[in-house]
Amino acid sequence: DIVMTQTPLSSPVTLGQPASISCRSSQSLVTSDGDTYLSWLQQRPGQPPRLLIYEISNRFSGVPDRFSGSGAGTDFTLKISRVEAEDVGIYYCMQATQFPWTFGQGTKVEIK
Amino acid sequence: QVQLVESGGDVVQPGRSLRLSCAASGFAFSHEVMHWARQAPGKGLEWVARISHDGVYKQFADSAKGRFTISRDNSKNTLYLQMSNLRAEDTAVYYCAKDLNNKWSLDYWGQGTLVTVSS
Repeated sequence: DIVMTQTPLSSPVTLGQPASISCRSSQSLVTSDGDTYLSWLQQRPGQPPRLLIYEISNRFSGVPDRFSGSGAGTDFTLKISRVEAEDVGIYYCMQATQFPWTFGQGTKVEIK
Repeated sequence: QVQLVESGGDVVQPGRSLRLSCAASGFAFSHEVMHWARQAPGKGLEWVARISHDGVYKQFADSAKGRFTISRDNSKNTLYLQMSNLRAEDTAVYYCAKDLNNKWSLDYWGQGTLVTVSS
């Protein structure tokens, strides 16, 4: 199975300041077709997960542009340009290049 | 708008069976790949199973293979997860999720249903 490792596991951030989360996969997520199926999901307290980013850097419908994704191969990053109060929650990376699909451990974003 | 509503969660004894349902609306259910994922209390997310739009192709996490079955009734817009020989470690909130068509991701999630396996 592909292991997804996120850092940090906790990220206290000041409102209005940027935040960054890293995700590393145990093997390349590039498919034979050249696609990379790496997504980022947000889970607010008491809520189900919500898709933010798919295929490394594509924002899903309705996701604010302060969220951005980047990376390639085995190293990926989610950035929040200016953290807002509603961004508090746990963020997960997920790979769908190979079955079983696997998630990172989650990174808790909280306000300082 | 897309809605996914899970039901069937319960408290069950180890070794027993349980069937979860997910009622879908707001999209062409019969055209979409569907998934189950779960989250143990206070823990992270775990993908459980996937089923093709026509129910022919299925994939499972190792933890589910041989014990869980995923199925769907496109005439009822409903997804199912049949779980047997349940273990304490199956205790979790179970989510159904819709596949982001051809993009290999999960774009909509239900609110989840809680399964507790305990004697």
